[in-house]
Amino acid sequence: DQQVKQNSPSLSVQEGRISILNCDYTNSMFDYFLWYKKYPAEGPTFLISISSIKDKNEDGRFTVFLNKSAKHLSLHIVPSQPGDSAVYFCAASGAGGTSYGKLTFGQGTILTVHP
Amino acid sequence: GAGVSQTPSNKVTEKGKYVELRCDPISGHTALYWYRQSLGQGPEFLIYFQGTGAADDSGLPNDRFFAVRPEGSVSTLKIQRTERGDSAVYLCASSLKGGEETQYFGPGTRLLVL
Repeated sequence: DQQVKQNSPSLSVQEGRISILNCDYTNSMFDYFLWYKKYPAEGPTFLISISSIKDKNEDGRFTVFLNKSAKHLSLHIVPSQPGDSAVYFCAASGAGGTSYGKLTFGQGTILTVHP
Repeated sequence: GAGVSQTPSNKVTEKGKYVELRCDPISGHTALYWYRQSLGQGPEFLIYFQGTGAADDSGLPNDRFFAVRPEGSVSTLKIQRTERGDSAVYLCASSLKGGEETQYFGPGTRLLVL
């Protein structure tokens, strides 16, 4: 039962353009969402988060949008740079009870930004 | 300051052997998490410590897996009678207080069971 899904295994974008990575979730108890970036042979690096009381959070080139009614979030990277090429994971927490603090991850999307 | 560190970075063992994986969290972080990542998948939760106690161990796959954090800082994940299916990257993360906040990950330990 995949509670967090990233349906696009890969995305290819030209440098300078916008990258849009998508994530869907099924558990309505999730109320905190994060995006991580991962390079090969390294651990995930935190990028940006959003609480369910907001629908948008922006940090430099990165913006996360949350649509609670659709149980959907997206990460926008503008402008995309070759150094952004990595695997991107969305994660969710807050399903209550003993799940408090535990992150549930999607399968990841490989982003390739071409010069 | 220093981030989360994990040792060893790589571990090769034979089926049936015992292994220990170590995690050193960010100084001052009371919450510590272990995750396991298989090829092509996202990390999967194993166990969450708040201080010295395991607040949630619901992700441990079976009783061959055990983790401790005796002094509320360093944690050790222990795997008995390893199986080939245990091969994965084991990730450790820490956060300041636990709950809905950012978790910071270490580089992981790549475990290969032959």
